[in-house]
Amino acid sequence: ILNVEQSPQSLHVQEGDSTNFTCSFPSSNFYALHWYRWETAKSPEALFVMTLNGDEKKKGRISATLNTKEGYSYLYIKGSQPEDSATYLCAHRTSGSRLTFGEGTQLTVNP
Amino acid sequence: EPEVTQTPSHQVTQMGQEVILRCVPISNHLYFYWYRQILGQKVEFLVSFYNNEISEKSEIFDDQFSVERPDGSNFTLKIRSTKLEDSAMYFCASSPDRGYNSPLHFGNGTRLTVT
Repeated sequence: ILNVEQSPQSLHVQEGDSTNFTCSFPSSNFYALHWYRWETAKSPEALFVMTLNGDEKKKGRISATLNTKEGYSYLYIKGSQPEDSATYLCAHRTSGSRLTFGEGTQLTVNP
Repeated sequence: EPEVTQTPSHQVTQMGQEVILRCVPISNHLYFYWYRQILGQKVEFLVSFYNNEISEKSEIFDDQFSVERPDGSNFTLKIRSTKLEDSAMYFCASSPDRGYNSPLHFGNGTRLTVT
């Protein structure tokens, strides 16, 4: 994998459903994996920054896991609510200061 | 909670004109960044800035682009002679340090439209 890829591109779920999406990234020269939540007309907001293989982080109903050896991270949302509707971006950081972003997963939670 | 602010929210300019996009990073942050997103594409890195100099820049950040921290609070991105393909949403971000586990704090963005 040469780029950061996210899947699916978009997702529609019903309120109360649990959901997850994937971020794939190059496993070489890995330093950190960021997840951001981006609501329309607002700024991207940091959810998690993960650096260690096997890391699991949780914030309320949202959690994320990291596998640096195979180059993927999962984001899980338990019991989705309409206010979870947003684009979820992952970004990969290598040794420099830049983040390389995926295209994002656009989540819509229907009431 | 402190936030990164960007002005203007929308800028329309004619091809060939100079534009300056302005940002006020969070006051105790030391690293500053510009990213952009062309409609329908990924968010892409332009430049990072620390201690009054460019820390890293991407291939996009050519001689038409420059950044400056003219005073203790503002951080600006100048595009010298805009092209149609510069139309994008430009995001400023800051972080307290360069640590690999430091998240970026983004502003709301400036939508630049070049006609």
